[in-house]
Amino acid sequence: DAGITQSPRHKVTETGTPVTLRCHQTENHRYMYWYRQDPGHGLRLIHYSYGVKDTDKGEVSDGYSVSRSKTEDFLLTLESATSSQTSVYFCAISESLARSYTFGSGTRLTVV
Amino acid sequence: KNEVEQSPQNLTAQEGEFITINCSYSVGISALHWLQQHPGGGIVSLFMLSSGKKKHGRLIATINIQEKHSSLHITASHPRDSAVYICAVKDGETSGSRLTFGEGTQLTVNP
Repeated sequence: DAGITQSPRHKVTETGTPVTLRCHQTENHRYMYWYRQDPGHGLRLIHYSYGVKDTDKGEVSDGYSVSRSKTEDFLLTLESATSSQTSVYFCAISESLARSYTFGSGTRLTVV
Repeated sequence: KNEVEQSPQNLTAQEGEFITINCSYSVGISALHWLQQHPGGGIVSLFMLSSGKKKHGRLIATINIQEKHSSLHITASHPRDSAVYICAVKDGETSGSRLTFGEGTQLTVNP
């Protein structure tokens, strides 16, 4: 697959703890996205980035923050994890707005 | 009502059958994507289209902009086609443009 990796692949954490998920790409793509996938819902956008230090909120951004200090890395942080944030998180990249997306393998996060 | 509706939600077929998955949407779009998600969870982009028809191997995707409808066809289906197929629409070409996803169609192809 294209050069996009997510870490960790699985994580179990306790309510109230901070958690950071990492998305790393080697494609030099401008656009990066964080989605969550939950039963009964399609993938939903949390935050996205359109360049280094350029980020914006998606439809389910409450409780999440992101940072992109360099092209290849897009970090998603849960400042204080809650059980409602138990989900599978996917990162995606896109070269331009008119191109298709490449998805990472996902991170399964469980908040207990 | 979701902006993107897929049908059927679940589909079981016998190997070799012709399969159709439908996607209807209610918003104006700049492009429509078809994605495949395998049991392991990884998501692969199959097609991105804004008009007409695209073909890749045994997969064909069509879109009718006027009717706000797209179909994904699989010819000569095979058990390895078993996956969740997801339709997603993009609402524009700006940085703020977003993909809105359907909930997916679970396809099982039996040998």
